[in-house]
Amino acid sequence: ETGVTQTPRHLVMGMTNKKSLKCEQHLGHNAMYWYKQSAKKPLELMFVYSLEERVENNSVPSRFSPECPNSSHLFLHLHTLQPEDSALYLCASSDPAANEKLFFGSGTQLSVL
Amino acid sequence: GESVGLHLPTLSVQEGDNSIINCAYSNSASDYFIWYKQESGKGPQFIIDIRSNMDKRQGQRVTVLLNKTVKHLSLQIAATQPGDSAVYFCAEKLLGGGNKLTFGTGTQLKVEL
Repeated sequence: ETGVTQTPRHLVMGMTNKKSLKCEQHLGHNAMYWYKQSAKKPLELMFVYSLEERVENNSVPSRFSPECPNSSHLFLHLHTLQPEDSALYLCASSDPAANEKLFFGSGTQLSVL
Repeated sequence: GESVGLHLPTLSVQEGDNSIINCAYSNSASDYFIWYKQESGKGPQFIIDIRSNMDKRQGQRVTVLLNKTVKHLSLQIAATQPGDSAVYFCAEKLLGGGNKLTFGTGTQLKVEL
């Protein structure tokens, strides 16, 4: 295991639902990331938090709302999603001494009906 | 082989043979490269990385080669085992690009018994 834990592993939601994805790391890292992984496409960076401040927002629709309450936890709040948002959502963290090297969780497989 | 941002090729090898997975990158300003392995149902797992001031780096059963002249990166796996079956991603980081990685679409490695 990488030390990055994501819950839930699978999520099915309707377009009018509100749900949240959770990520937790106990590696002492100070940066956390959300990535979207769709079939046969490169990983897409969504958000980056460094020292609990959002440092990158890659033109992600407002129906995705991240939250980083402390350096160990990261959330992705979802509301009024579209079927094309169905994908694997991966959380990652990085060590301040080697911040290019990402440690990924196992992801949340999201299906929007 | 794989190019950052294009199709997902498949490489089939016999158990015990050596595997070579290729990656072409387009930005000569990239100064850091990394390989990840992703097994079904799991998040990407770090394999090996290399900085642009090096041509070769070796790990346990894996070697990464970097040819900056032709902007080519390869991952060599010695004595390929069934447990090596996975999708392999390369990623690059631009010099001065902070900690943002740009990922390729991946290569599916299948190990035949």
